[in-house]
Amino acid sequence: DIQMTQSPSTLSASVGDRVTITCRASQSISDWLAWYQQKPGKAPKLLIYKASSLESGVPSRFSGSGSGTEFTLTISSLQPDDFATYYCQQYNSYGTFGGGTKVEIK
Amino acid sequence: EVQLVESGGGLVQPGGSLRLSCAASGFTFNSYWMHWVRQTPGKGLVWVSRINSDGSSTSYADSVKGRFTISRDNAKNTLYLQMNSLRVEDTAVYYCARGRDGYNKVIDVWGQGTTVTVSS
Repeated sequence: DIQMTQSPSTLSASVGDRVTITCRASQSISDWLAWYQQKPGKAPKLLIYKASSLESGVPSRFSGSGSGTEFTLTISSLQPDDFATYYCQQYNSYGTFGGGTKVEIK
Repeated sequence: EVQLVESGGGLVQPGGSLRLSCAASGFTFNSYWMHWVRQTPGKGLVWVSRINSDGSSTSYADSVKGRFTISRDNAKNTLYLQMNSLRVEDTAVYYCARGRDGYNKVIDVWGQGTTVTVSS
C-alpha cells in the first residue's frame, strides 16, 4: 500500500503569510496527487488535481507542485478564509489520504 | 445544483450490518464514477471504495475488502454501500462523493456525510 505523509501536522501563520505544506509518498505516484481543504463540520473541497492543476473556482493564490514522491501545496498570501485543514490524496493506486495539516491563526 | 445526500447511518452492534444510500441530483449520474470516503471523529480521511459509471468495476480499501460492497442503481440515481461484519473501528462519518470528470479517481463533489457508530 502507498502511504502518504504530510508535514507539518499543524502550522501557525498570519494573514498575508506564504504557506507551504509538504506531502510525501512512500513510492512514486507520478503526478497522481490531489489536494483538499476541509473546514470544521464540512465536507472537503477539491483544490488541486494532477499535482498542479487548479480546480475551477479555486483562488489563484493556491498552487501545487511536485512529482514522483514529493509534493507541495503553497498558499501565496494566506487569507482569513484559508484557515482550515488540508489533505493530500494519491490516486495512483486506490486513494490514500495524508494525515492532514491544520493551518491555524498565529 | 449538484447534490449528494447520504442516508442510512446509525448505531449498530459489532458484527452487524448496515446499508448506506446516496441520492444524487443535478448531474448525469450514470456518467460518473462514485466513491465512499470515511472520517473518524477528529481524525483524517480514509478512502473506502469506488465504482465506475456503469457499475462493472469496483475497488476497495484493504480494511473493508470482503466486508463492504459498493453498488449503484443508475435508474434511481442512487449509490449504495452495504456494510457487513461491522467492527468498532468502522465508526466514522461516511461521505458519498463523485469522481471528477476526466479524472475519475479525484473527488470533486462530496455529500454532507452520514454517521455510523459501531458499539455494543
